[in-house]
Amino acid sequence: SQTIHQWPATLVQPVGSPLSLECTVEGTSNPNLYWYRQAAGRGLQLLFYSVGIGQISSEVPQNLSASRPQDRQFILSSKKLLLSDSGFYLCAWSIRTGYEQYFGPGTRLTVT
Amino acid sequence: AQSVTQLDSHVSVSEGTPVLLRCNYSSSYSPSLFWYVQHPNKGLQLLLKYTSAATLVKGINGFEAEFKKSETSFHLTKPSAHMSDAAEYFCVVRSSSNTGKLIFGQGTTLQVKP
Repeated sequence: SQTIHQWPATLVQPVGSPLSLECTVEGTSNPNLYWYRQAAGRGLQLLFYSVGIGQISSEVPQNLSASRPQDRQFILSSKKLLLSDSGFYLCAWSIRTGYEQYFGPGTRLTVT
Repeated sequence: AQSVTQLDSHVSVSEGTPVLLRCNYSSSYSPSLFWYVQHPNKGLQLLLKYTSAATLVKGINGFEAEFKKSETSFHLTKPSAHMSDAAEYFCVVRSSSNTGKLIFGQGTTLQVKP
């Protein structure tokens, strides 16, 4: 069966520091991968999605970037965090475009 | 453009009573619709999905939803609430664009009272 991992589970970082969140999927090949942010416990905003290695699409302009160095690895990064980057970050995968997505456990990021 | 509206931001029921979480969608074509559940500080879990097969969809944990095209609704129900059902519920429609983007409603918080 497929599983999706995210780490770290929680993170407290000062403003201006870099960020790296990692997501990995097991048990499937060539999945679509997604990064979402959930602010204030409500609503999900799609940040990035990827249909293959090195292929990244950004949904909204922001202080973050994403990379997919391996088939089942998706990384969310920032060079300098802002207070507004605080939130709950969720990674998800789907077997292909348009199919249901399966979510990881999330990373709680607090920027101080 | 596709969108979903969850009509209640907060629903409170007593344990053992029925649950109804309301969702209306807007779509120019036959949509794919989903319900997800999120427990506090957890990821989202797929409860059920509608993809133009049977209009009454059964999901996990005793939940079901009925697709009503004439009412553009996809309400989530459960005959008898359990304390463990207390969570945030999201109604979701799939975008018709080639991204297959999922469009989330704002969520409904379900409170279950003993």
